Amino acid sequence: SQKIEQNSEALNIQEGKTATLTCNYTNYSPAYLQWYRQDPGRGPVFLLLIRENEKEKRKERLKVTFDTTLKQSLFHITASQPADSATYLCALDSDGGTYKYIFGTGTRLKVLA
Amino acid sequence: DTGVSQDPRHKITKRGQNVTFRCDPISEHNRLYWYRQTLGQGPEFLTYFQNEAQLEKSRLLSDRFSAERPKGSFSTLEIQRTEQGDSAMYLCASSYNRGLTDTQYFGPGTRLTVL
Repeated sequence: SQKIEQNSEALNIQEGKTATLTCNYTNYSPAYLQWYRQDPGRGPVFLLLIRENEKEKRKERLKVTFDTTLKQSLFHITASQPADSATYLCALDSDGGTYKYIFGTGTRLKVLA
Repeated sequence: DTGVSQDPRHKITKRGQNVTFRCDPISEHNRLYWYRQTLGQGPEFLTYFQNEAQLEKSRLLSDRFSAERPKGSFSTLEIQRTEQGDSAMYLCASSYNRGLTDTQYFGPGTRLTVL
């Protein structure tokens, strides 16, 4: 069956360090993968999109990699700040262009001051 | 900047009642999505519209759920004969078709509690 897995446990890191979050998927062939941030009681906010033919994408302190062979995406936040504390979700288009998106369960990140 | 809005933000109802939620997307967006999210889970896809056409529906969307998007503008999601298992956050998102990619902008959600 189709599945997206993210670190289910919360990730605590010290301010200034790099946070690395993982998204693994099985039985999908996504054309692209997206990362969202969600704060408690709010809707997700789009952060980055990476296409299947792209290895890496950057935006300010954020970096995403996409390995279609490993079926894995890594999301990095460098020089992390307490304000980066949130839940981070990855999402795939489940069947390459159907616009039916599947989200992971999310990883809760806490950056300690 | 008028983002995606949803109404109401919170709804408490008794089991067996019908409820209707409204979503107003960003004005130039032609796609509109509905998701359901329970605590500790990611959003679950329910359905999406391109303009006024409903193009995809999840099997999660039972006969008690119906969504409409008249005239391709706002959308409503109705749940009939609510059950306690329907308690969740209902999220709406909209996007503008830019070829093969699709960046969704989410609303704040409607939190439904079924007693």
